[in-house]
Amino acid sequence: AQSVTQLDSQVPVFEEAPVELRCNYSSSVSVYLFWYVQYPNQGLQLLLKYLSGSTLVESINGFEAEFNKSQTSFHLRKPSVHISDTAEYFCAVSGSSGTYKYIFGTGTRLKVLA
Amino acid sequence: DAGITQSPRHKVTETGTPVTLRCHQTENHRYMYWYRQDPGHGLRLIHYSYGVKDTDKGEVSDGYSVSRSKTEDFLLTLESATSSQTSVYFCAISPGGQGSNEQFFGPGTRLTVL
Repeated sequence: AQSVTQLDSQVPVFEEAPVELRCNYSSSVSVYLFWYVQYPNQGLQLLLKYLSGSTLVESINGFEAEFNKSQTSFHLRKPSVHISDTAEYFCAVSGSSGTYKYIFGTGTRLKVLA
Repeated sequence: DAGITQSPRHKVTETGTPVTLRCHQTENHRYMYWYRQDPGHGLRLIHYSYGVKDTDKGEVSDGYSVSRSKTEDFLLTLESATSSQTSVYFCAISPGGQGSNEQFFGPGTRLTVL
């Protein structure tokens, strides 16, 4: 069984400042890790994913996350945020085989301030 | 965007009535999932399907049933709606297979049970 912890329910940050959204997971099997973003009144969109290989993964809009197996973490970072990054961010874990069910964290609401 | 639609998008119903939500995909993906999203809980899996007529329970399946008679449609039924089932419901699809278990989400259905 897997579980995901997102300790920060809300993160306010000023525009152009860096941000880190934390995600820790637990699992007894090999995992895939994901970050999804949800804009108001919309569904979830995949931001980035770790399946295997390089532990640093990047998205097209400047976010990156690093898989750290020893610390069981997959923190999301961006060096300079924009107003448009205001959204809720969800970390998710799934086993690397089987039915590919996700376990989601409780989400972190990022609010970018002008 | 992946071809996923959900209907209805909004519904208000009364306690004790049956409700059916529909998820329709045009991607021919094998896996389909129903989640509910509640503040402070993130997304929780209700039921999922790994093929036509093949379904299984998720972590919050009590009070819900599902059916999948064809690849493109996955129905979620609340047999006798209760106020605790007021939520936003998301359908997701995935092709499955090694390295391709990304889930794509529909726009959601907002259900209010009075």
